Amino acid sequence: RKEVEQDPGPFNVPEGATVAFNCTYSNSASQSFFWYRQDCRKEPKLLMSVYSSGNEDGRFTAQLNRASQYISLLIRDSKLSDSATYLCAVNAHSSASKIIFGSGTRLSIRP
Amino acid sequence: NAGVTQTPKFRVLKTGQSMTLLCAQDMNHEYMYWYRQDPGMGLRLIHYSVGEGTTAKGEVPDGYNVSRLKKQNFLLGLESAAPSQTSVYFCASSYASGPSTDTQYFGPGTRLTVL
Repeated sequence: RKEVEQDPGPFNVPEGATVAFNCTYSNSASQSFFWYRQDCRKEPKLLMSVYSSGNEDGRFTAQLNRASQYISLLIRDSKLSDSATYLCAVNAHSSASKIIFGSGTRLSIRP
Repeated sequence: NAGVTQTPKFRVLKTGQSMTLLCAQDMNHEYMYWYRQDPGMGLRLIHYSVGEGTTAKGEVPDGYNVSRLKKQNFLLGLESAAPSQTSVYFCASSYASGPSTDTQYFGPGTRLTVL
């Protein structure tokens, strides 16, 4: 089992829709969780970090479910500019200084 | 405040050539990382450093070497490039490890092609 797994998508949703995707992780001792956004041919940029049960920033909400070992990202009122790949990241089992990234979920918002 | 910068942005090598990628950060971060990103594979950690003068292997270290002689710089070397090392290389840095200090900030990447 991969340490961090994501549905690769693509998720193709209309503008204004609400979309959610999950990321599962294998290390029950992980303490740090992140969602990064990556545009085509660009570097990943931090969207949200999650250290407790969840975090909300405008239209974006991240939820952590420790019992089932997954984090979710919810995007409300989606915009065309939300089209990107969303990477989930979790601190590693063997070393707290290492962050393990998922392969990413592609999201495409259509007009 | 430039954040994390990488040089060069693009490079084409022939098999067997060597090169060094430079990463620099001006945020006084202790931790620095080198990743490679291939289609469908996500980011894979090559080497990392938890402080000046220290380095450690990541998930895919073979064929690469690193050095952290100064806190602000982290160099990635390819001694004898192979076509399998064609990839996009990202450098990242973080203040420390542990909650609230381990957010990683990325450089713009280096696109390397090995022929």
